[in-house]
Amino acid sequence: ETGVTQSPTHLIKTRGQQVTLRCSSQSGHNTVSWYQQALGQGPQFIFQYYREEENGRGNFPPRFSGLQFPNYSSELNVNALELDDSALYLCASSLASSSYNEQFFGPGTRLTVL
Amino acid sequence: RKEVEQDPGPFNVPEGATVAFNCTYSNSASQSFFWYRQDCRKEPKLLMSVYSSGNEDGRFTAQLNRASQYISLLIRDSKLSDSATYLCVLYGSSNTGKLIFGQGTTLQVKP
Repeated sequence: ETGVTQSPTHLIKTRGQQVTLRCSSQSGHNTVSWYQQALGQGPQFIFQYYREEENGRGNFPPRFSGLQFPNYSSELNVNALELDDSALYLCASSLASSSYNEQFFGPGTRLTVL
Repeated sequence: RKEVEQDPGPFNVPEGATVAFNCTYSNSASQSFFWYRQDCRKEPKLLMSVYSSGNEDGRFTAQLNRASQYISLLIRDSKLSDSATYLCVLYGSSNTGKLIFGQGTTLQVKP
């Protein structure tokens, strides 16, 4: 086990709704990255938070937003859900963002949008 | 063109076989390279890092060819437990902390 936890494990929403996914990082880690993995694809980088600030963003629209809290846990918020948002959402924690440090993944939240 | 390209497979091999996966990448400035393993409906886990000199971990050997922008993973003496999706992963040249994943190659080892 990596020590990274995510909630909920599964979620079903309808188009147009909003969703909040949560991630608790491994103890001592100050960086959280979020990825979206569609079926049959590799994970795609959404954004990263380092010490409560966004530190890099992938090619995702503004309706994907996030937060990092003082305890380094993080939230991913998605507004105006679309069918294509159905995917496994993974968070990964690491120690620092200035150079590569291994990213440890949580088990993911599987989101289904109907 | 995708930043990281892999043959999605599936590769179906018998136990004991040797199997090789390849991966090409487009950004010559990429700094670090990895193979991750992902079991069905689970999170990706780091299998091994990839160095220009090549590195080996038990039955697994990884190679990097920067000139050809090509990465490989060789699995010898395949076990049933090796059945999984193998993801080729790069760490980019910027400080965004972004891991760039390939589509993944599915391996099914059969008795």
